[in-house]
Amino acid sequence: DGGITQSPKYLFRKEGQNVTLSCEQNLNHDAMYWYRQDPGQGLRLIYYSQIVNDFQKGDIAEGYSVSREKKESFPLTVTSAQKNPTAFYLCASSTGQLNQPQHFGDGTRLSIL
Amino acid sequence: AQKITQTQPGMFVQEKEAVTLDCTYDTSDPSYGLFWYKQPSSGEMIFLIYQGSYDQQNATEGRYSLNFQKARKSANLVISASQLGDSAMYFCAMTGTSYGKLTFGQGTILTVHP
Repeated sequence: DGGITQSPKYLFRKEGQNVTLSCEQNLNHDAMYWYRQDPGQGLRLIYYSQIVNDFQKGDIAEGYSVSREKKESFPLTVTSAQKNPTAFYLCASSTGQLNQPQHFGDGTRLSIL
Repeated sequence: AQKITQTQPGMFVQEKEAVTLDCTYDTSDPSYGLFWYKQPSSGEMIFLIYQGSYDQQNATEGRYSLNFQKARKSANLVISASQLGDSAMYFCAMTGTSYGKLTFGQGTILTVHP
C-alpha cells in the first residue's frame, strides 16, 4: 500500500540528547513536511522540502534540523537546543500543487525523560 | 501571511443530525486552497474535502460539504447525518502560493451523542 511511515511511534529523549524521527513515503511525492502539534492545538510547520537536497524553514524551525538526501525520506532531528520538545510530530507529503492534499503519517510522540 | 480561525473549541451533535463547523480565513494570495482534515484520538490526519478559491461550486464528498463564501472569507464544513465515528478533532487549513504549505486553524472537537 502507498503511504507514509513514521517511526518510532513513541520516543523518549534525555536532557542534552539529539534524537531523530524517521519519515518515509512511497507515494512518489516531491514535497515533504514536518509539523509539530501540542495538546489541544493545531499543527505548526517546522521544515518543508520541495525537492531532493533542498529544504526551507517553517514557522518554528529553531532547535530542529532536517535532511533530504532521497526523495522517499525526510528525517527530522530534534536537537538539544530545542528546550521544549515534548509534542506530537507529524510528517506529510504531497505533490506540492495547490489543489492537492497533504498525506500524513501516523505520527511520533516525543517525551522528555 | 495566511491565517485560519476556528472559533468553536467544541461542538456537540446528536447522532443522525447535521452539524456545521466554522472556519474563517485571511490571505493576500489571489489563488488559494482550503482543506478540512479529521483527527481521531489515535492521532492520524485524515483528508476530508478540498475547495479551490476559483471553484464556482461548493465542494461535496459523501456526507461532507463545504459552504464556501468567498466574500466573507469563510469555508464552513457541514457534516450531514452524523455518526458516532465522526467524533474527532476537525481542522481547517489553507494553502497559498508557497508550494503547498498548509496553515492550520486551532481545531474544533466534535462529539456525537447517541
